[in-house]
Amino acid sequence: DAGVIQSPRHEVTEMGQEVTLRCKPISGHNSLFWYRQTMMRGLELLIYFNNNVPIDDSGMPEDRFSAKMPNASFSTLKIQPSEPRDSAVYFCASSRDRAKEQYFGPGTRLTVT
Amino acid sequence: GNSVTQMEGPVTLSEEAFLTINCTYTATGYPSLFWYVQYPGEGLQLLLKATKADDKGSNKGFEATYRKETTSFHLEKGSVQVSDSAVYFCALSDLREGDDKIIFGKGTRLHILP
Repeated sequence: DAGVIQSPRHEVTEMGQEVTLRCKPISGHNSLFWYRQTMMRGLELLIYFNNNVPIDDSGMPEDRFSAKMPNASFSTLKIQPSEPRDSAVYFCASSRDRAKEQYFGPGTRLTVT
Repeated sequence: GNSVTQMEGPVTLSEEAFLTINCTYTATGYPSLFWYVQYPGEGLQLLLKATKADDKGSNKGFEATYRKETTSFHLEKGSVQVSDSAVYFCALSDLREGDDKIIFGKGTRLHILP
């Protein structure tokens, strides 16, 4: 079975540009999570969805960040405009049921210059 | 609220040494407990889990026992290999808190020397 798929794997962009990260969860999973990982701050939960509905976005750092889940098999995380401090690895994870183990994608390494 | 505390790293051991990474938790309910591993350049992978007190999770030679009396879930391995070098995260979830989230510890980096 395919795991969580993320694209792109690497993204380099200039400050001020819009960035869109994509995630395809494991088929049949109904919860989806977006995380950010940096050396300084570790692993941070940004937002999560259950049955395509955003449940908790309290981790989204500011209004420049937005996330959508238009259907059960696709989610996006958008940063507009991007800033150098957004440079990090962004992970998407999915789980079958609420509070069950999560399965992580390989991550998108974002560099904003 | 719920929280996880794990020993700070990095931890450096020689190959074939015994490994313990300590993890303690705070929870108001009866959480499920997890250990995740992150190899360089990869996402987190579930290593093992335990869903109730006295359960032992095990995988790839790693073990952890859910100890309710000490609120601990320490990770152990009898003989580590160079390939075990990674970052290890202890985590919990507690649906009775009405939350879908998994609470992760800060991670412990493990270096195994040949």
